[in-house]
Amino acid sequence: DVKVTQSSRYLVKRTGEKVFLECVQDMDHENMFWYRQDPGLGLRLIYFSYDVKMKEKGDIPEGYSVSREKKERFSLILESASTNQTSMYLCASSFSGGYNEQFFGPGTRLTVL
Amino acid sequence: AQSVTQLGSHVSVSEGALVLLRCNYSSSVPPYLFWYVQYPNQGLQLLLKYTTGATLVKGINGFEAEFKKSETSFHLTKPSAHMSDAAEYFCAVGDGGSQGNLIFGKGTKLSVKP
Repeated sequence: DVKVTQSSRYLVKRTGEKVFLECVQDMDHENMFWYRQDPGLGLRLIYFSYDVKMKEKGDIPEGYSVSREKKERFSLILESASTNQTSMYLCASSFSGGYNEQFFGPGTRLTVL
Repeated sequence: AQSVTQLGSHVSVSEGALVLLRCNYSSSVPPYLFWYVQYPNQGLQLLLKYTTGATLVKGINGFEAEFKKSETSFHLTKPSAHMSDAAEYFCAVGDGGSQGNLIFGKGTKLSVKP
């Protein structure tokens, strides 16, 4: 079974803190994705990566950065957390090719106070 | 550009009743279509997908969906709802590129009444 794990299920941080969300997949997938999910807005793509050290901006990259130093690991970084970044963050991975499904991690619910 | 519209942000059915969740898409290329389910405080799980071939696709937990090109639809159905089907459901379409990006609908929350 494909497994996508995220470093924390729940996280509480203060405004201005630097926040790291980590995602690891065990299926040798080329692609990895970070989304945020908010009620009524569905899933919005923050960043994705289709290879090690490669990254592409998604629909809402402002305030975020990413790092992919190893194929299995994709990190999302909030350089200076703000209250409007309180959200559910979902990581996903997939093989290359538009016909392949994405496999999702359990999510991290981040609260910024 | 690809897009997905899910009609109805909330759908409520009685246990044993038909479940119908609607999804319409827009795509400039032959679409790859997906349905995902999300249970509370969990990630998304694939229910089924359409890539090519048979237009009626069967998925897990008794769900199925039919690709209708003429109607640009990919509605999700289940003949008889169970309490355990209560969840949020997302329709998605491939963005037409080779990298596997998906465009998601805003989701439909399904409630099942006893």
